[in-house]
Amino acid sequence: QKEVEQDPGPLSVPEGAIVSLNCTYSNSAFQYFMWYRQYSRKGPELLMYTYSSGNKEDGRFTAQVDKSSKYISLFIRDSQPSDSATYLCAMTGRGGAQKLVFGQGTRLTINP
Amino acid sequence: NAGVTQTPKFRVLKTGQSMTLLCAQDMNHEYMYWYRQDPGMGLRLIHYSVGEGTTAKGEVPDGYNVSRLKKQNFLLGLESAAPSQTSVYFCASRFEGGYNEQFFGPGTRLTVL
Repeated sequence: QKEVEQDPGPLSVPEGAIVSLNCTYSNSAFQYFMWYRQYSRKGPELLMYTYSSGNKEDGRFTAQVDKSSKYISLFIRDSQPSDSATYLCAMTGRGGAQKLVFGQGTRLTINP
Repeated sequence: NAGVTQTPKFRVLKTGQSMTLLCAQDMNHEYMYWYRQDPGMGLRLIHYSVGEGTTAKGEVPDGYNVSRLKKQNFLLGLESAAPSQTSVYFCASRFEGGYNEQFFGPGTRLTVL
């Protein structure tokens, strides 16, 4: 079993829809949870970062972490064609080199 | 300020050939990482460095070597390339301490025939 599981999709939704992306994990030592966005043939860019449990909102994006269920989510409201990308969840523990463990990535397409 | 750069962008090798991928960052970051990305696998850590002159193994280190002779550069070497090393390679760097964002380079697409 992978340490971090993410549905690879692909996921295709119409413009304006609410998108929900999710990851589950097995390592209870993870404390930092991130969502990276990766456009085609580009490097990943940090989209959202959350420490421990709770919610974080940034514009149209909301990240949720439920450590009791080992489950994290990213919600995109009023989705735009420019949101079409691969979304990768990543997580790490405290201290040390903070080696990130990534999910498989979900390819998302927003259709105009 | 170029951020994280990677050289080359593309490369095709024959089985058994060797090559070195160069990662350079101009942000004075202490930590540097090499990942590979394969379809359906996300990014997997190959090797990393917590400072000049240091290196350590990640999740998938076999077949690769690394060196960090200068703080701004992190080299990834393939001594005898194999088709299983066909992948997209990403370098990343970050400041030390607490949580700090990893900044990624644009990637190197490597094909081993």
